[in-house]
Amino acid sequence: EILLTQSPATLSLSPGERATLSCRASQSVSSSLGWYQQKPGQAPRLLIYDASNRAAGIPARFSGSGSGTDFTLTISSLEPEDSAVYFCQQCSNWLSITFGQGTRLEIK
Amino acid sequence: EVQLVESGGGLVKPGESLTLSCAASGFNFNKAWMNWVRQAPGEGVEWLGRIKTKRDLETVDYAASVEGRFVMSRDDSIQTVYLQMNSLKIEDTGVYYCVWSSTWDLRYYLDQWGQGTLVTVSS
Repeated sequence: EILLTQSPATLSLSPGERATLSCRASQSVSSSLGWYQQKPGQAPRLLIYDASNRAAGIPARFSGSGSGTDFTLTISSLEPEDSAVYFCQQCSNWLSITFGQGTRLEIK
Repeated sequence: EVQLVESGGGLVKPGESLTLSCAASGFNFNKAWMNWVRQAPGEGVEWLGRIKTKRDLETVDYAASVEGRFVMSRDDSIQTVYLQMNSLKIEDTGVYYCVWSSTWDLRYYLDQWGQGTLVTVSS
């Protein structure tokens, strides 16, 4: 099973600041990595797929980068509504999709 | 409008069985790969498996953690997918989501989610 480790566990930033979230895979997943946002009481929402492609309707302030084992989700200028938990997900092994444990982003 | 409505959750005892349903509408269900995903309280997300289309022989890929205990099936005539859960354990407690991967490019991602149904396994 491919393990995904996200860091930091919690991030506290102010509106307008830049957020950088990391996801590291236990083995190469090429570019088969996605990012999700989950707000309290809601299902996760797909933000990024194939490491750097924004899903439909996702604002341009969200961007993804990386390949192999190291990936980054960047939120260029934080809005209050970006407060959420963010998960990465790999599908390199599409028979065993796995998620990271999440990064909690708090907007001060 | 895409709708995925899960039902069938509730309180069960360890060792019991439970079947969840997911009624789909707003898209061509016959061509849809459908997934089940769960989330334990306050925890991360766990993919349980996917069922492919009739054209793909309704092949099911299960996560190792549930293979042999959980069974996925579908009924295209009523646009419903099922998750039969057997020999339930306390650690199966969580919110269970039905998820549709809406395009071929997204077939291994999870982009259309239901609202989830809560399963609690407790003695």
